[in-house]
Amino acid sequence: GAGVSQSPRYKVAKRGQDVALRCDPISGHVSLFWYQQALGQGPEFLTYFQNEAQLDKSGLPSDRFFAERPEGSVSTLKIQRTQQEDSAVYLCASSLVVAGGGHDTQYFGPGTRLTVL
Amino acid sequence: AQKITQTQPGMFVQEKEAVTLDCTYDTSDPSYGLFWYKQPSSGEMIFLIYQGSYDQQNATEGRYSLNFQKARKSANLVISASQLGDSAMYFCAMAGAGSYQLTFGKGTKLSVIP
Repeated sequence: GAGVSQSPRYKVAKRGQDVALRCDPISGHVSLFWYQQALGQGPEFLTYFQNEAQLDKSGLPSDRFFAERPEGSVSTLKIQRTQQEDSAVYLCASSLVVAGGGHDTQYFGPGTRLTVL
Repeated sequence: AQKITQTQPGMFVQEKEAVTLDCTYDTSDPSYGLFWYKQPSSGEMIFLIYQGSYDQQNATEGRYSLNFQKARKSANLVISASQLGDSAMYFCAMAGAGSYQLTFGKGTKLSVIP
């Protein structure tokens, strides 16, 4: 596809369940980002990949959050033992070049809305 | 540390009129980039316009223009000839020097009235 895709679009989990959120970036994009957007707020940075390398995970809120991009393309954000405070929209973004060499535009997917009951 | 402030939680504009959405920022980086994104109710963040801190001219993209006032640390978005489809949340964001993560404001909800 032409844009960033994410699946599922909606996920309902019971507290304590594990969830996995998938992101397909734009083909050829080197950089991939995950953001968390709470209701009524702007997105907040979670983690950044350059190809398959996770260069920054400083925004992950706890060790229950884990992200991977094993082949430098598709990425998965996993949340273990979900809590109610994890309820949010999780946005994935990708950019063409290596970030940090300039201010390359990040293109976002539609997000996954996670609701933890 | 970087900070983006959007002081207008909500704005109304008549169709075909122009509207300005405010954004101020705070950073100690000498080089930075400023972005505006639109988020309709569907949830996707749509890139609108970019301004680099060293760009001499204000950025324009179709009906969107960025009123960049460096000394005042403001980067207001101007939408000309508003359309009903412009109704959405609008976020201002910035990336610092050599930085990759975007710092977002809280957003402004724009409603276009027919």
